[in-house]
Amino acid sequence: SQQGEEDPQALSIQEGENATMNCSYKTSINNLQWYRQNSGRGLVHLILIRSNEREKHSGRLRVTLDTSKKSSSLLITASRAADTASYFCATGGWSASKIIFGSGTRLSIRP
Amino acid sequence: EAQVTQNPRYLITVTGKKLTVTCSQNMNHEYMSWYRQDPGLGLRQIYYSMNVEVTDKGDVPEGYKVSRKEKRNFPLILESPSPNQTSLYFCASSYETGTNEKLFFGSGTQLSVL
Repeated sequence: SQQGEEDPQALSIQEGENATMNCSYKTSINNLQWYRQNSGRGLVHLILIRSNEREKHSGRLRVTLDTSKKSSSLLITASRAADTASYFCATGGWSASKIIFGSGTRLSIRP
Repeated sequence: EAQVTQNPRYLITVTGKKLTVTCSQNMNHEYMSWYRQDPGLGLRQIYYSMNVEVTDKGDVPEGYKVSRKEKRNFPLILESPSPNQTSLYFCASSYETGTNEKLFFGSGTQLSVL
Protein backbone atom coordinates (compact mmCIF):
# COMPACT_ATOMS: atom_id res chain seq x y z
CA SER A 1 0.00 0.00 0.00
CA GLN A 2 1.33 3.45 -0.88
CA GLN A 3 1.17 6.02 1.86
CA GLY A 4 2.82 9.08 0.33
CA GLU A 5 1.77 10.63 -2.93
CA GLU A 6 4.16 13.18 -4.41
CA ASP A 7 3.08 16.12 -6.48
CA PRO A 8 4.03 16.95 -9.15
CA GLN A 9 5.12 13.70 -10.75
CA ALA A 10 7.66 15.60 -12.82
CA LEU A 11 9.16 19.07 -12.53
CA SER A 12 11.53 20.92 -14.86
CA ILE A 13 13.07 24.21 -13.77
CA GLN A 14 15.94 26.50 -14.70
CA GLU A 15 19.20 26.24 -12.79
CA GLY A 16 19.19 28.71 -9.94
CA GLU A 17 15.43 28.57 -9.41
CA ASN A 18 13.77 27.03 -6.39
CA ALA A 19 12.08 23.63 -6.63
CA THR A 20 9.11 22.68 -4.49
CA MET A 21 7.74 19.17 -4.20
CA ASN A 22 4.75 18.11 -2.15
CA CYS A 23 3.82 14.90 -0.42
CA SER A 24 0.43 13.89 0.93
CA TYR A 25 -0.21 10.87 3.09
CA LYS A 26 -3.21 9.10 4.51
CA THR A 27 -2.65 7.82 8.03
CA SER A 28 -1.08 8.99 11.27
CA ILE A 29 2.71 9.07 11.12
CA ASN A 30 5.65 9.10 13.49
CA ASN A 31 7.96 10.84 11.04
CA LEU A 32 8.34 11.73 7.40
CA GLN A 33 11.54 11.41 5.44
CA TRP A 34 12.73 12.61 2.06
CA TYR A 35 15.11 10.63 -0.14
CA ARG A 36 16.86 11.32 -3.43
CA GLN A 37 17.54 8.77 -6.17
CA ASN A 38 19.90 9.36 -9.05
CA SER A 39 18.96 7.44 -12.19
CA GLY A 40 18.18 3.96 -10.91
CA ARG A 41 20.75 4.00 -8.14
CA GLY A 42 20.14 3.49 -4.44
CA LEU A 43 18.17 6.07 -2.50
CA VAL A 44 20.02 8.55 -0.35
CA HIS A 45 18.46 9.96 2.80
CA LEU A 46 18.07 13.75 2.76
CA ILE A 47 16.14 14.77 5.83
CA LEU A 48 13.78 13.43 8.51
CA ILE A 49 11.08 15.47 10.20
CA ARG A 50 9.23 14.14 13.22
CA SER A 51 5.49 14.45 13.70
CA ASN A 52 5.91 17.08 16.43
CA GLU A 53 8.07 19.29 14.20
CA ARG A 54 6.75 21.78 11.67
CA GLU A 55 9.84 22.82 9.76
CA LYS A 56 13.39 21.64 9.31
CA HIS A 57 16.38 22.90 7.35
CA SER A 58 19.48 21.22 5.99
CA GLY A 59 21.72 23.28 3.72
CA ARG A 60 19.62 24.24 0.69
CA LEU A 61 16.78 21.98 1.78
CA ARG A 62 13.74 23.09 3.70
CA VAL A 63 11.05 20.64 4.73
CA THR A 64 7.69 21.48 6.23
CA LEU A 65 5.16 19.17 7.79
CA ASP A 66 1.49 19.86 8.37
CA THR A 67 0.00 16.92 10.24
CA SER A 68 -3.48 18.44 10.21
CA LYS A 69 -3.45 18.37 6.40
CA LYS A 70 -1.35 15.21 6.26
CA SER A 71 1.10 16.86 3.92
CA SER A 72 4.74 17.81 3.62
CA SER A 73 6.76 19.89 1.22
CA LEU A 74 10.41 19.81 0.19
CA LEU A 75 11.96 23.04 -1.03
CA ILE A 76 15.34 23.03 -2.76
CA THR A 77 16.69 26.54 -3.09
CA ALA A 78 19.10 27.80 -5.74
CA SER A 79 18.90 24.57 -7.74
CA ARG A 80 21.94 23.09 -9.45
CA ALA A 81 22.36 20.60 -12.28
CA ALA A 82 23.45 18.01 -9.71
CA ASP A 83 19.98 18.23 -8.10
CA THR A 84 18.51 16.44 -11.13
CA ALA A 85 17.10 13.24 -9.61
CA SER A 86 13.92 11.62 -8.35
CA TYR A 87 12.74 12.61 -4.90
CA PHE A 88 10.66 10.39 -2.66
CA CYS A 89 8.83 11.02 0.55
CA ALA A 90 8.57 8.16 2.99
CA THR A 91 6.40 7.91 6.06
CA GLY A 92 7.28 6.09 9.25
CA GLY A 93 4.34 4.82 11.22
CA TRP A 94 3.97 3.96 14.87
CA SER A 95 4.51 0.30 14.11
CA ALA A 96 8.19 -0.51 14.25
CA SER A 97 8.21 -2.23 10.89
CA LYS A 98 7.45 -0.03 7.98
CA ILE A 99 8.68 2.95 6.14
CA ILE A 100 6.35 3.42 3.20
CA PHE A 101 7.47 5.25 0.08
CA GLY A 102 5.53 7.33 -2.39
CA SER A 103 5.92 7.13 -6.16
CA GLY A 104 8.32 10.08 -6.39
CA THR A 105 8.84 13.38 -8.21
CA ARG A 106 11.29 13.51 -11.13
CA LEU A 107 13.16 16.79 -10.98
CA SER A 108 15.10 18.07 -13.99
CA ILE A 109 17.31 21.13 -13.77
CA ARG A 110 17.86 22.91 -17.09
CA PRO A 111 21.22 24.66 -17.55
CA GLU B 1 33.32 2.75 4.71
CA ALA B 2 29.77 2.25 5.99
CA GLN B 3 27.72 0.63 3.29
CA VAL B 4 25.05 -1.79 2.19
CA THR B 5 26.35 -4.15 -0.47
CA GLN B 6 24.07 -5.93 -2.88
CA ASN B 7 25.06 -8.50 -5.45
CA PRO B 8 24.71 -8.92 -8.32
CA ARG B 9 24.07 -5.49 -9.82
CA TYR B 10 22.43 -7.00 -12.90
CA LEU B 11 20.86 -10.43 -13.32
CA ILE B 12 19.09 -12.04 -16.25
CA THR B 13 17.48 -15.40 -15.65
CA VAL B 14 14.75 -17.66 -16.96
CA THR B 15 11.41 -18.55 -15.47
CA GLY B 16 11.65 -21.12 -12.69
CA LYS B 17 15.38 -21.00 -12.09
CA LYS B 18 16.02 -20.36 -8.40
CA LEU B 19 18.15 -17.34 -7.58
CA THR B 20 19.47 -15.47 -4.59
CA VAL B 21 20.28 -11.79 -4.30
CA THR B 22 22.70 -11.12 -1.49
CA CYS B 23 22.68 -8.15 0.84
CA SER B 24 25.26 -7.34 3.47
CA GLN B 25 25.74 -4.33 5.75
CA ASN B 26 28.78 -3.42 7.81
CA MET B 27 27.12 -0.97 10.22
CA ASN B 28 25.81 -3.46 12.81
CA HIS B 29 22.26 -2.45 11.92
CA GLU B 30 19.40 -4.37 13.48
CA TYR B 31 16.77 -3.54 10.88
CA MET B 32 17.00 -4.70 7.26
CA SER B 33 14.46 -4.62 4.49
CA TRP B 34 13.93 -5.50 0.83
CA TYR B 35 12.08 -3.27 -1.62
CA ARG B 36 11.19 -3.58 -5.27
CA GLN B 37 10.85 -0.55 -7.49
CA ASP B 38 8.60 -0.53 -10.54
CA PRO B 39 7.78 2.45 -12.80
CA GLY B 40 4.93 4.51 -11.40
CA LEU B 41 4.66 2.43 -8.24
CA GLY B 42 7.51 3.76 -6.17
CA LEU B 43 9.17 1.38 -3.73
CA ARG B 44 7.16 -1.45 -2.25
CA GLN B 45 8.37 -3.42 0.72
CA ILE B 46 8.82 -7.17 0.21
CA TYR B 47 10.14 -8.42 3.54
CA TYR B 48 11.81 -6.91 6.57
CA SER B 49 13.78 -8.10 9.56
CA MET B 50 13.91 -6.52 12.99
CA ASN B 51 16.90 -8.62 14.11
CA VAL B 52 18.55 -12.01 13.70
CA GLU B 53 15.99 -14.78 13.15
CA VAL B 54 13.14 -12.24 13.11
CA THR B 55 11.56 -11.65 9.69
CA ASP B 56 8.13 -10.59 8.52
CA LYS B 57 6.19 -9.91 5.36
CA GLY B 58 5.92 -6.51 3.79
CA ASP B 59 3.34 -5.46 1.22
CA VAL B 60 4.36 -7.73 -1.66
CA PRO B 61 5.92 -10.93 -0.22
CA GLU B 62 4.44 -13.46 -2.67
CA GLY B 63 7.10 -15.38 -4.55
CA TYR B 64 9.95 -14.32 -2.26
CA LYS B 65 11.76 -15.75 0.75
CA VAL B 66 14.30 -14.24 3.11
CA SER B 67 16.47 -15.36 5.97
CA ARG B 68 18.39 -13.57 8.71
CA LYS B 69 20.87 -16.00 10.19
CA GLU B 70 23.49 -13.35 10.83
CA LYS B 71 23.03 -9.71 11.68
CA ARG B 72 24.94 -8.43 8.67
CA ASN B 73 23.32 -10.55 5.93
CA PHE B 74 19.78 -10.58 4.58
CA PRO B 75 19.52 -12.53 1.31
CA LEU B 76 16.46 -12.41 -0.92
CA ILE B 77 15.51 -15.74 -2.46
CA LEU B 78 13.30 -16.30 -5.48
CA GLU B 79 12.52 -20.02 -5.50
CA SER B 80 10.77 -20.01 -8.88
CA PRO B 81 11.09 -16.61 -10.55
CA SER B 82 8.39 -15.43 -12.92
CA PRO B 83 8.39 -12.55 -15.44
CA ASN B 84 6.28 -10.36 -13.12
CA GLN B 85 9.24 -10.34 -10.73
CA THR B 86 11.29 -8.42 -13.26
CA SER B 87 12.11 -5.31 -11.29
CA LEU B 88 14.75 -3.18 -9.61
CA TYR B 89 15.44 -4.49 -6.12
CA PHE B 90 16.90 -2.61 -3.18
CA CYS B 91 18.14 -3.76 0.17
CA ALA B 92 18.14 -1.23 3.01
CA SER B 93 19.12 -1.16 6.65
CA SER B 94 18.90 1.10 9.68
CA TYR B 95 20.17 1.15 13.25
CA GLU B 96 17.08 0.15 15.10
CA THR B 97 13.47 -0.37 14.28
CA GLY B 98 13.48 1.71 11.14
CA THR B 99 10.77 4.14 12.12
CA ASN B 100 12.81 6.99 13.53
CA GLU B 101 16.01 6.14 11.80
CA LYS B 102 17.06 6.82 8.25
CA LEU B 103 17.50 3.95 5.85
CA PHE B 104 20.79 3.18 4.13
CA PHE B 105 20.30 1.68 0.69
CA GLY B 106 22.32 -0.66 -1.45
CA SER B 107 23.01 0.21 -5.09
CA GLY B 108 20.24 -2.02 -6.38
CA THR B 109 19.87 -5.21 -8.40
CA GLN B 110 18.20 -5.02 -11.79
CA LEU B 111 16.54 -8.40 -12.33
CA SER B 112 15.08 -9.57 -15.62
CA VAL B 113 13.14 -12.83 -15.71
CA LEU B 114 12.59 -14.16 -19.21
